[in-house]
Amino acid sequence: QSALTQPASVSGSPGQSITISCTGTRSDVGDYNYVSWYQHHPGKAPKLMIYEVTNRPSGVPDRFSGSKSGNTASLTISGLQAEDEADYYCSSYTSSATYVVFGGGTKLTVL
Amino acid sequence: QVQLVQSGTEVKKPGASVKVSCKASGYTFTGYGVSWVRQAPGQGLEWMGWTNAHNDETNFAQNLQGRVTLTTDTSTSTAYMELRSLTSDDTAIYYCARGFGKLDYWGQGTLITVSS
Repeated sequence: QSALTQPASVSGSPGQSITISCTGTRSDVGDYNYVSWYQHHPGKAPKLMIYEVTNRPSGVPDRFSGSKSGNTASLTISGLQAEDEADYYCSSYTSSATYVVFGGGTKLTVL
Repeated sequence: QVQLVQSGTEVKKPGASVKVSCKASGYTFTGYGVSWVRQAPGQGLEWMGWTNAHNDETNFAQNLQGRVTLTTDTSTSTAYMELRSLTSDDTAIYYCARGFGKLDYWGQGTLITVSS
């Protein structure tokens, strides 16, 4: 069982917005502003989409945004496009002996 | 441009060890750490550990303590992950990535299959 909880799947139509949640505890998401989000297309390497809760690396479209409230972080994708269909993972620092934890992943389907 | 190139697919028997390499280029190797992440078939990503390429400081996921060794060779800008006492549960794609919590560049992945 993953330390961070994500919905198994979300879906949306092209042009719509979706939000993926990532729920942790006060020992990880709640205590650190070091939440990252990764996009993973099967057979390819994961790609960093958001780091430190809200920051986008160079080259990531501004359709992708991150936020956090309490123990839950969120990734919002606006103006959905077909190429956004992928698995998305959150991660966070944790004060436990694991140091870094991932969520279980969310499969995004663009209808 | 930043690149991390990993060694190739391996098939190992239970109880054996495996060592995966990750050659970095396009940046100052000692300026960043290297993390290792794996993905078992049908499962999510699992953080395994991290090594500081500057001073060889390492941190490991608790469930892998004692079975994994992370090293770096600064002369060749290469990071290594060795995993011992393999079981079928270690069958996975293993990735190296630059950084600690913020993993901004990833290797292409190395498939390790553990089977008798």
